[in-house]
Amino acid sequence: TQLLEQSPQFLSIQEGENLTVYCNSSSVFSSLQWYRQEPGEGPVLLVTVVTGGEVKKLKRLTFQFGDARKDSSLHITAAQPGDTGLYLCAGSNNAGNMLTFGGGTRLMVKP
Amino acid sequence: GAGVSQSPSNKVTEKGKDVELRCDPISGHTALYWYRQRLGQGLEFLIYFQGNSAPDKSGLPSDRFSAERTGESVSTLTIQRTQQEDSAVYLCASSLRRYEQYFGPGTRLTVT
Repeated sequence: TQLLEQSPQFLSIQEGENLTVYCNSSSVFSSLQWYRQEPGEGPVLLVTVVTGGEVKKLKRLTFQFGDARKDSSLHITAAQPGDTGLYLCAGSNNAGNMLTFGGGTRLMVKP
Repeated sequence: GAGVSQSPSNKVTEKGKDVELRCDPISGHTALYWYRQRLGQGLEFLIYFQGNSAPDKSGLPSDRFSAERTGESVSTLTIQRTQQEDSAVYLCASSLRRYEQYFGPGTRLTVT
């Protein structure tokens, strides 16, 4: 069974601060995805990283896939209250059709 | 175009009763997934449908859980003889391309 560990589980910061969320596994994944979920809604895909060492930027969000494709990180610069939510990482199998989800990081950004 | 829809959005049922949850995937999406999410936690895979292939039921927690899908359209997840530990949000997702799953808003099930 492939497992993904996310850290921290909870994070409460002030608006304008930077933060990094980690997603780690002992298994190799063909891709890693990051989702954001708000209360009462389903997860929304933010990014997919496929190549080891890959870095993708989405405005203030920077996603990195580890060289060995076992871990990933999400860095948010100058966090805003609108970034508040549950951030989930998910690793994909080789076929790209099955996802294993981490336990999530609940982020709260206070104004 | 419409996204993935699920009904009902909330369901409260008594322990021992059967419930049926519905998912309408995005039109044309060949793959459909059901997940369970306990409060504040990540998603637990339940079952996966791909076209007309036999479904992958490896995530179903017990034989009280079953799901059906008609062709490449609607799917229903049925939980028989519900237990309190079944209380969770049940999420459905559909997919056309590798790596991309689109989620519905979920059904919040509460078993009293």
